[in-house]
Amino acid sequence: DTGVSQDPRHKITKRGQNVTFRCDPISEHNRLYWYRQTLGQGPEFLTYFQNEAQLEKSRLLSDRFSAERPKGSFSTLEIQRTEQGDSAMYLCASSLVVVKGGSPLHFGNGTRLTVT
Amino acid sequence: GNSVTQMEGPVTLSEEAFLTINCTYTATGYPSLFWYVQYPGEGLQLLLKATKADDKGSNKGFEATYRKETTSFHLEKGSVQVSDSAVYFCALSLSPYSGAGSYQLTFGKGTKLSVIP
Repeated sequence: DTGVSQDPRHKITKRGQNVTFRCDPISEHNRLYWYRQTLGQGPEFLTYFQNEAQLEKSRLLSDRFSAERPKGSFSTLEIQRTEQGDSAMYLCASSLVVVKGGSPLHFGNGTRLTVT
Repeated sequence: GNSVTQMEGPVTLSEEAFLTINCTYTATGYPSLFWYVQYPGEGLQLLLKATKADDKGSNKGFEATYRKETTSFHLEKGSVQVSDSAVYFCALSLSPYSGAGSYQLTFGKGTKLSVIP
């Protein structure tokens, strides 16, 4: 168990640029979640995948945001035409969900995005 | 909707003091309840959990009891250490089998704890 890995740890970009983050979940986990955390707030749910299928998206996930998990393993989160309000910590988590239950979410260390 | 409310921080305590961080929740259905901890520069780590009413979660000297009647899950520790300094998040999740969830977590805003020697 190597844990959930996120890359990069930090990203500074100019407003209007596109950015992409990567998340590698714990290998046997079938669920992958993206959260956003702003300063002084708790993490807010963005979206989750069951294997390669994206099953739920929050209202927070505007049209400029897109997430993929093409082979049911790693996931990418892309933000197009970044805005200063997108500055936040983007957290990835994974879990194992079986027929009648689920493991707790395991979180990565996050990618901190700063939009200037 | 579902929500979690936890006491505002920051909380500053002396080493060996007693800690309580209050957490109350609102949920449609019967949630599982969690405390996560975030140490400086690190990701969120699960501290403890409880999945049904009257369950007590415990870990590393921390405890929390799932109180359905008061919709609360207060975190306690009898004697805090400097190494406990971190941000603590209360959270809930709902099982899809309750008809109202998908296991994703709803978090409180977090409570920053500083323990001074």
